[in-house]
Amino acid sequence: DTEVTQTPKHLVMGMTNKKSLKCEQHMGHRAMYWYKQKAKKPPELMFVYSYEKLSINESVPSRFSPECPNSSLLNLHLHALQPEDSALYLCASSQDEGRQAFFGQGTRLTVV
Amino acid sequence: QKEVEQDPGPLSVPEGAIVSLNCTYSNSAFQYFMWYRQYSRKGPELLMYTYSSGNKEDGRFTAQVDKSSKYISLFIRDSQPSDSATYLCAMREDSSYKLIFGSGTRLLVRP
Repeated sequence: DTEVTQTPKHLVMGMTNKKSLKCEQHMGHRAMYWYKQKAKKPPELMFVYSYEKLSINESVPSRFSPECPNSSLLNLHLHALQPEDSALYLCASSQDEGRQAFFGQGTRLTVV
Repeated sequence: QKEVEQDPGPLSVPEGAIVSLNCTYSNSAFQYFMWYRQYSRKGPELLMYTYSSGNKEDGRFTAQVDKSSKYISLFIRDSQPSDSATYLCAMREDSSYKLIFGSGTRLLVRP
């Protein structure tokens, strides 16, 4: 099973809302990632958690706040987003660094 | 210059054709090479994964890595309309979490 599950699939939120994206994997992977993908562009790395600790933050604005409650779960908390933050948000996991990464189907976020 | 270069296409081929997709890169420290297929509005699906140089085959797909030329390829045999998607190459250094993606090539297989 190489499944990474993301919820919700679609999300529309206002600029004053607070919402969370969720990601789950049961492959025993110790690295989990958040990526952002705009239309017709490749995914851009936002955050990496390794063994439940934040190891990479790609200078992401503080209105995006990641959380890794345990080795299977990854959340992305959203607050005071801008319309330009509308994108497909992808979660991925890998066994450890250097191994292949498996992606979820993404959450399509629209900020109005 | 981008670390990974990939022709955005679109590449249009008839059904049954052999498709060749390529990426070049500049960082000689890249050791892990991946090809992903992404359908519109879906997440990337891992197709092929190769460590260092060499070839790898899986069904209709063959991945090649030539580290001396800093060039990787994905071949699709007997292409099908269902192969129509964007193909992303990705690579990373040893002991690095950071995947570097190409810009993606749009492939259209005509029935």
